[in-house]
Amino acid sequence: RKEVEQDPGPFNVPEGATVAFNCTYSNSASQSFFWYRQDCRKEPKLLMSVYSSGNEDGRFTAQLNRASQYISLLIRDSKLSDSATYLCVVNRLGNQFYFGTGTSLTVIP
Amino acid sequence: NAGVMQNPRHLVRRRGQEARLRCSPMKGHSHVYWYRQLPEEGLKFMVYLQKENIIDESGMPKERFSAEFPKEGPSILRIQQVVRGDSAAYFCASSTEGGRVGTQYFGPGTRLLVL
Repeated sequence: RKEVEQDPGPFNVPEGATVAFNCTYSNSASQSFFWYRQDCRKEPKLLMSVYSSGNEDGRFTAQLNRASQYISLLIRDSKLSDSATYLCVVNRLGNQFYFGTGTSLTVIP
Repeated sequence: NAGVMQNPRHLVRRRGQEARLRCSPMKGHSHVYWYRQLPEEGLKFMVYLQKENIIDESGMPKERFSAEFPKEGPSILRIQQVVRGDSAAYFCASSTEGGRVGTQYFGPGTRLLVL
């Protein structure tokens, strides 16, 4: 079983829509959680860390459910510039960060 | 404050040649990670280094691949006797702290093509 699993999509949504991505992780010892975005042929960039109590950064809200071992990302009022691949990242004891294969989002005018 | 730098950005090698990929971490960062991304796949961890030390190389193939992060200069990922399957994007990331604490910032990647 993969360490981190994401629905690859693609998600095609109109501007202004709300879209949510989920990610599941297999190891209950996982400690730290992040969302990165990756534009085509570019490097991943940190979008936000995910905290146990949930956290919000502008139009983006991240949630963590340790009992069910999943992480979510909610994007409100989608912009064209939100089009990218969103990577779920998990770290557990030790040094390895595990990346999901990403969920592709296209925001349509 | 310059970000993580990688060079070359693109590298073409013939089968059997050596590839050397360089990574200069962000200023003040002493932890370096290397990842490989195959087309249509996620990032795969390869190795984690601090200055002059390999901390975790569990993701690195046992043969032909090596990495170093000397006291002075960039981190180097070296691939000997490259094969077509080595063609991928290789990303380097750096952080101020290692393990579960450090947030990683990525370089632009080196795209290796093996002919």
